[in-house]
Amino acid sequence: AQSVAQPEDQVNVAEGNPLTVKCTYSVSGNPYLFWYVQYPNRGLQFLLKYITGDNLVKGSYGFEAEFNKSQTSFHLKKPSALVSDSALYFCAVFSGNTGKLIFGQGTTLQVKP
Amino acid sequence: KAGVTQTPRYLIKTRGQQVTLSCSPISGHRSVSWYQQTPGQGLQFLFEYFSETQRNKGNFPGRFSGRQFSNSRSEMNVSTLELGDSALYLCASSLEAGGRHNEQFFGPGTRLTVL
Repeated sequence: AQSVAQPEDQVNVAEGNPLTVKCTYSVSGNPYLFWYVQYPNRGLQFLLKYITGDNLVKGSYGFEAEFNKSQTSFHLKKPSALVSDSALYFCAVFSGNTGKLIFGQGTTLQVKP
Repeated sequence: KAGVTQTPRYLIKTRGQQVTLSCSPISGHRSVSWYQQTPGQGLQFLFEYFSETQRNKGNFPGRFSGRQFSNSRSEMNVSTLELGDSALYLCASSLEAGGRHNEQFFGPGTRLTVL
């Protein structure tokens, strides 16, 4: 079955520290992976995607994600967190079998000053 | 370029009523997808429309339906509302169907409350 897991409901980090939001996936065939962010009372905003090529993908607002095929992971990272990064983050994988974008449950990132 | 717009932003209905939500995609985008977001179930795919045809459907009962017009605008309808239909309904548009390569652009959502 195609699935996405975000093992942490919440991640807390101090401003200026590096952050990691974890994501693992299970999909048949080549994975097409995405990260989205959702601020309160707003829709999701696209951050970055992995389709093919370099395992390190750079996206918006200084975020990057590392694709690891052997560990079936696509963790979101940022070298130095900002308070304004506090939001709900979703990892998603496109399932070629179903033609659908499957989202993880989301991880709330809390960056404290 | 204007983003994805959804109307209305907030809606309160009672059980048994029906509701229609509207979504206008980004200009030039022909694919529109709908999602239901709840605290318990997260983001659940409802359906995708492309060129006025439903291309894909999630695991929702037949009370949930949708359509797409020739200008790519889309509507979704929920009939015989139940308390469990209370959710944020998100619409997303993309250039092409399938979502394999193209990121989706989301609207702000319609918050539906069923009393």
